[in-house]
Order: sequence, then C-alpha cells, then structure tokens
Amino acid sequence: DIQMTQSPSSLSASVGDRVTITCRASQSISNYLNWYQQKPGRAPKLLIYAASSLHSGVPSRFSGSGSGTDFTLTISSLQPEDFATYYCQQTYSSPPKTFGQGTKLEIK
Amino acid sequence: EVQLVESGGGLVQPGGSLRLSCAASGFTFKSYWMHWVRQAPGKGLVWVARINNDESTVNYVDSVKGRFTISRDNAKNTLYLQMNSLRAEDTAVYYCARESGTYPIPDVLDIWGQGTAVTISS
Repeated sequence: DIQMTQSPSSLSASVGDRVTITCRASQSISNYLNWYQQKPGRAPKLLIYAASSLHSGVPSRFSGSGSGTDFTLTISSLQPEDFATYYCQQTYSSPPKTFGQGTKLEIK
Repeated sequence: EVQLVESGGGLVQPGGSLRLSCAASGFTFKSYWMHWVRQAPGKGLVWVARINNDESTVNYVDSVKGRFTISRDNAKNTLYLQMNSLRAEDTAVYYCARESGTYPIPDVLDIWGQGTAVTISS
C-alpha cells in the first residue's frame, strides 16, 4: 500500500498568515492527490483535486501543487474559518485509497 | 440539494453485526460510484470501501475484508455497509461519500454525509 505522510502534524498560525502543508507519498503517484478540510464534528470537504485543481466553491486563497511524491497545500492569507484539520489522499493505486494522518491548523 | 444522510449506527457488542445505510438525494444516484470512509475517535480518516454503479466492482481495505460488505439499491437511492464480526477497533464515525465522476482522476470524493457513529464495546 502507498503511505502518505503529512507535515507538520500540527501548526499554529495567525489570521492573515501564509501557510503551507506538505504531503509526501511513499512512491510516485503522478498527480493523483486530493486535499480535504475537516472541522471538528463535521464531515470532510473537498478542497483540491488532481494536486492543483480547485474544487467548485473553494476560495482562491487555497492552492495546491506538486507531482510524483511531493505535494503542498497553501493558504495564501489565513481566514478565521480556515482553522481546521487538513488531509491529503492518494487515489493512484488500486485500493486502499490512503489518507495522510492529517495536519491540525490552530490559531496562534 | 445534493445530500447524503447516514443512519444505522449504534452500540454493538464485539462479534456483533450492524448495517449502515446512506440515503442519497438531489442527484442521479445510480450514475455514481460510492465510498465509505471511517474515523476513529480523535484519529484520522481511513478509506474503507467503494462500489461502482452496478455493484460489479467492490473494493475494501484489508482490515475489513471478509467482514464488511458494501452494496447499493439504485431503486431506493441507498448505499449500505453490512458489518459483521465487529471488533473494538471498528469503533468510528462512518461517512458515506460520492465519487465525483467528472474530475480527471478517480476516487475524488466531492459529497460527504454527516456520518453515523458506531461503538463496539461490551
């Protein structure tokens, strides 16, 4: 199975900051990488698909990049509603479609 | 409104069974692949299973193979997860999710239900 490793596991930042979260795959996954946001007690929401494409309705301050094994999610200017946990997921291999362990973004 | 609503969770003893349901509305259910994802308390997301439109393709994570069965009733717009031989480590919130089908890569989960909680304990 392909392993997905996110860093950092947690992050403290302030409103207005630029934040980058990294996701690394244990083998090349081309651009088969999605990002989800989850707030406490809520279901995950799709943010980015195919490594860099913004899902409908997602604010443009979110962006994704990368290919192969290394990927990043960037929030250009943090808003109060962005404090949440973020997960990457690879969909390259045959199942399982593994998620990273998550990155919790907290208010500084 | 496009919506997925899970039900069927609860408290079950180890070794017991449970069937989760996921009612879909607001879209043509039979046209979409569907998935189950779970999240243990305080932990991350774990992909569990998926099923294609006509049930001819089903896949599972190794930890549930032989114990869980994903199925669907397109006439009722409902997805199911039959869970047998339940273990303490199956305790989690279970989410159903729709696979987009229009994006250039597979298995993009664009619509999620609110989740149903399953607790395995004696």
